[in-house]
Amino acid sequence: QVQLVQSGAEVKKPGSSVKVSCKASGGTFSSYTISWVRQAPGQGLEWMGRIIPILGIANYAQKFQGRVTITADKSTSTAYMELSSLRSEDTAVYYCARGEIVGATIETDFDYWGQGTLVTVSS
Amino acid sequence: QAVVTQEPSLTVSPGGTVTLTCGSSTGAVTSGHYPYWFQQKPGQAPRTLIYDTSNKHSWTPARFSGSLLGGKAALTLSGAQPEDEAEYYCLLSYSGAYVFGTGTKVTVL
Repeated sequence: QVQLVQSGAEVKKPGSSVKVSCKASGGTFSSYTISWVRQAPGQGLEWMGRIIPILGIANYAQKFQGRVTITADKSTSTAYMELSSLRSEDTAVYYCARGEIVGATIETDFDYWGQGTLVTVSS
Repeated sequence: QAVVTQEPSLTVSPGGTVTLTCGSSTGAVTSGHYPYWFQQKPGQAPRTLIYDTSNKHSWTPARFSGSLLGGKAALTLSGAQPEDEAEYYCLLSYSGAYVFGTGTKVTVL
């Protein structure tokens, strides 16, 4: 059974950084993609970026370019999202989502989701 | 960045049918946008219903279907159930970068 388990809630000061983890189980990490999506309180979903762990290649939404870094550790089947220069507007629930690679094709980028991690940015 | 637009809210009667749409500011939505549809209930993570326009996951109820309709992506719910009351988001791909729609609140009443 595929599961994505994210790290716990964080409280951060403005200007600092946060690193959220997403540990996958129940499948083959090398056949995944991992995307990160956030949701500010009472707002909609916002795609931040995605990594293909087997290639080590990440791409990011233009809005977050230069401020977000998505990485993956194949040895622990864990993906990470680090967001820097935090401001109050970054207060949100951050989700990871798994996609599946079949052969050489990305079958889907979003099937299973993590439980979400609340990041609060406050002075 | 493209803007992806959905109806803010829709109401459907139990057992009824409703169609949600997803439009793009850049023009017609095509299969090349690989449209996704997600359901989200309060306090829960999103759940993926549809990928690549019309493909369903094993957990997607048969009453949900995806299509392209009049230059937009569409999600049709046929035979609405009370448990279908939720927020629904579409997602489009723009050459590998994704943009979520604004979301549609569906009420079953």
